[in-house]
Amino acid sequence: GAGVSQSPRYKVAKRGQDVALRCDPISGHVSLFWYQQALGQGPEFLTYFQNEAQLDKSGLPSDRFFAERPEGSVSTLKIQRTQQEDSAVYLCASSLVHGDRGLWQPQHFGDGTRLSIL
Amino acid sequence: AQSVAQPEDQVNVAEGNPLTVKCTYSVSGNPYLFWYVQYPNRGLQFLLKYITGDNLVKGSYGFEAEFNKSQTSFHLKKPSALVSDSALYFCAVRDISNFGNEKLTFGTGTRLTIIP
Repeated sequence: GAGVSQSPRYKVAKRGQDVALRCDPISGHVSLFWYQQALGQGPEFLTYFQNEAQLDKSGLPSDRFFAERPEGSVSTLKIQRTQQEDSAVYLCASSLVHGDRGLWQPQHFGDGTRLSIL
Repeated sequence: AQSVAQPEDQVNVAEGNPLTVKCTYSVSGNPYLFWYVQYPNRGLQFLLKYITGDNLVKGSYGFEAEFNKSQTSFHLKKPSALVSDSALYFCAVRDISNFGNEKLTFGTGTRLTIIP
């Protein structure tokens, strides 16, 4: 497809389990972002990649959260030892270029993965 | 630090009337400002942006927004509301004076309901 694709769309896990969320950005997009959207809130920044380099991970809430983009395309957000407060929608976004030029290109969002921790 | 405030959780407008969704921002330097719309169980769709230049920017679906530096505001407007405009609207900011900062900071959202 032409848009950002995220899988799975829904994920239910028991507290303490590890989960992995996948993002396929738009082909050719250099920048990739992960956001967390809690119920009734706006998206909050988690981390940012430029190609395979993770340039900003200041928003990751704890060391249980880990993101990678090894070949500069598909990205995976992994959450270890999940807790109930991790329940949220996780949004992935990509944009064509990085840096100030990238601001001329909007971030394109996927439909998200809704994670529920029981 | 960068932040956004959307003071209204809910805005109701009659179909055909003009609509305004309010947004104020705070950055230490110069802002880039954005509006996104979210439909149920979907990601965010880009509506419009302010980068530089004309304070009135036009975007998708007939929406426009006015950048007001003195009031640190970026209100979203449309002259005549449609029922299909009903959705959740998010304002976002990026502080461009912070070198290397690519992230967007979003407001908490405003639910817009257009009443037929």
